Amino acid sequence: NAGVTQTPKFQVLKTGQSMTLQCAQDMNHNSMYWYRQDPGMGLRLIYYSASEGTTDKGEVPNGYNVSRLNKREFSLRLESAAPSQTSVYFCASSEGGSGRGTGELFFGEGSRLTVL
Amino acid sequence: GESVGLHLPTLSVQEGDNSIINCAYSNSASDYFIWYKQESGKGPQFIIDIRSNMDKRQGQRVTVLLNKTVKHLSLQIAATQPGDSAVYFCAETGGANSKLTFGKGITLSVRP
Repeated sequence: NAGVTQTPKFQVLKTGQSMTLQCAQDMNHNSMYWYRQDPGMGLRLIYYSASEGTTDKGEVPNGYNVSRLNKREFSLRLESAAPSQTSVYFCASSEGGSGRGTGELFFGEGSRLTVL
Repeated sequence: GESVGLHLPTLSVQEGDNSIINCAYSNSASDYFIWYKQESGKGPQFIIDIRSNMDKRQGQRVTVLLNKTVKHLSLQIAATQPGDSAVYFCAETGGANSKLTFGKGITLSVRP
């Protein structure tokens, strides 16, 4: 049981380049999330998908787009990368759907992105 | 705005001692709280949770205490071990359609 799998683990981009972070979960969870983690800032929610077919903005959505491809997969796209998007990105999933309470989140190992 | 915060950025403890990590929250509607542990280079991992209808919950070597009166959450680790060295996050959620909000994290360092 792999849990939450993210790819790639490391990526270096030049300003203006685009890329997609992939995430897949094998726990049949309804909800999936993308967070970024920066020093001294904790985890900040970028986008989430409460259930298959829905996506919503989180705390810091600017510069990102997401796709909930199916129940298992949730991708994060940077259309034109900027140095401010240098960060560690975490995908997570939870059993709970939309509405009150997310329940326990299960996280992937993270994707370290550097934008030069 | 609402926020979840931790009182101290770092905590150093002697191996074998008990550790107490504190967290303050400001959202009075919060009704579910989680502690996560993040080891270097890894994603956060669930430790223990507590709902607002409880004030204490115990797990294996860990206890979470919730004081709703002063909006305070703490994580107690008994007989701290080197493997407990990590960054610890508190997180909270509450109210309709709310998501999990994370605190900034505190580093626990265990001295041999």
